[in-house]
Amino acid sequence: KAGVTQTPRYLIKTRGQQVTLSCSPISGHRSVSWYQQTPGQGLQFLFEYFSETQRNKGNFPGRFSGRQFSNSRSEMNVSTLELGDSALYLCASSLVGGLADTDTQYFGPGTRLTVL
Amino acid sequence: GDSVTQMEGPVTLSEEAFLTINCTYTATGYPSLFWYVQYPGEGLQLLLKATKADDKGSNKGFEATYRKETTSFHLEKGSVQVSDSAVYFCALMDYGGSQGNLIFGKGTKLSVKP
Repeated sequence: KAGVTQTPRYLIKTRGQQVTLSCSPISGHRSVSWYQQTPGQGLQFLFEYFSETQRNKGNFPGRFSGRQFSNSRSEMNVSTLELGDSALYLCASSLVGGLADTDTQYFGPGTRLTVL
Repeated sequence: GDSVTQMEGPVTLSEEAFLTINCTYTATGYPSLFWYVQYPGEGLQLLLKATKADDKGSNKGFEATYRKETTSFHLEKGSVQVSDSAVYFCALMDYGGSQGNLIFGKGTKLSVKP
């Protein structure tokens, strides 16, 4: 079974631009979560989608948004990029998210975003 | 709120040494606990997990026991290899609180020397 895939793997943007990252979950998984990883703040939760609905959101500004499609694929968008948005963005998929205590999140390789 | 605290790194060991990485947690509900590992330039890989008190998770020689009385989930391995060099993250998911997100510790970098 194929794992979680993320595209692109690397991205370079300039301040003020916007960016869209894509995540394809493991087949059959309906929950997709996004995390930001930086050296200073570590791993922080952005948001989680389940069956095309955002169920949970972390403490990030409204410039960070996402969506999920009917095939469970997800995208996240960051508008008006700032230097501090430079990070590794990780996507994780699971069967049903937090609805079952036996559920497990599986991560993709991440997208490395650099903002200049 | 929920939180995870793990020992600061980096940790440097010789091959075949015993490894312990401490992890403690605070949670309002009944969390599941996880250890993830991240190799350079890669995403996170699930190493092991435990879903209730006294459960022991194990994988690839690594073990961790869910201790509710001490709110701990320490990672251990009896004999580390150079290939175990990576960053290890302890995490929880609290099903009594927020759904769908993991809460991570800061990570512990392990370097194993031949």
